[in-house]
Amino acid sequence: EADIYQTPRYLVIGTGKKITLECSQTMGHDKMYWYQQDPGMELHLIHYSYGVNSTEKGDLSSESTVSRIRTEHFPLTLESARPSHTSQYLCASSERKGATGANVLTFGAGSRLTVL
Amino acid sequence: GENVEQHPSTLSVQEGDSAVIKCTYSDSASNYFPWYKQELGKGPQLIIDIRSNVGEKKDQRIAVTLNKTAKHFSLHITETQPEDSAVYFCAASINSGYALNFGKGTSLLVTP
Repeated sequence: EADIYQTPRYLVIGTGKKITLECSQTMGHDKMYWYQQDPGMELHLIHYSYGVNSTEKGDLSSESTVSRIRTEHFPLTLESARPSHTSQYLCASSERKGATGANVLTFGAGSRLTVL
Repeated sequence: GENVEQHPSTLSVQEGDSAVIKCTYSDSASNYFPWYKQELGKGPQLIIDIRSNVGEKKDQRIAVTLNKTAKHFSLHITETQPEDSAVYFCAASINSGYALNFGKGTSLLVTP
């Protein structure tokens, strides 16, 4: 059972609104990520954080911003939503584990955003 | 940077048959290759992974093979069941899972 929670699961808003997608994890992971998943399924890394007060932009340019004030919380904000922001947003956190000792991601269930 | 190609984009098999999904990567320094499964309405979940010093790994009905020379790796699912229906993503990393580069995904449908 994943211990990473995203809210809201679904959001429909009008153009120009400010929105914040919440992501919280109870596993104490230092590393957290935001992925944007387009309708074609492809996953694009848009933000990541390796710890408190650390945030970096990912491979895909995004107009969203993130903050990491607490270890367990990694919210994503859009100051002025546009129809082009319509997408599924997946939050993840990670730790080294398993037989390979590699960095393994645990994903939340996602937030599906529709901007009209 | 690393480029991961995944094929096919869609795959339909009958229950009980085997399914194979193939990925190629471009960076010979890649040393970690996980596979994630995404069920409808959920986030991706790790199902199996392999390091570059291993050629094959098996976990019950799923197995992953790696050919470092050819820079490709594959997921094999035997005796498929309807609950195997999902989107599968391969990925590669040069840093043991940090900065994962995902393939574009394969939508697998297992029909009864």
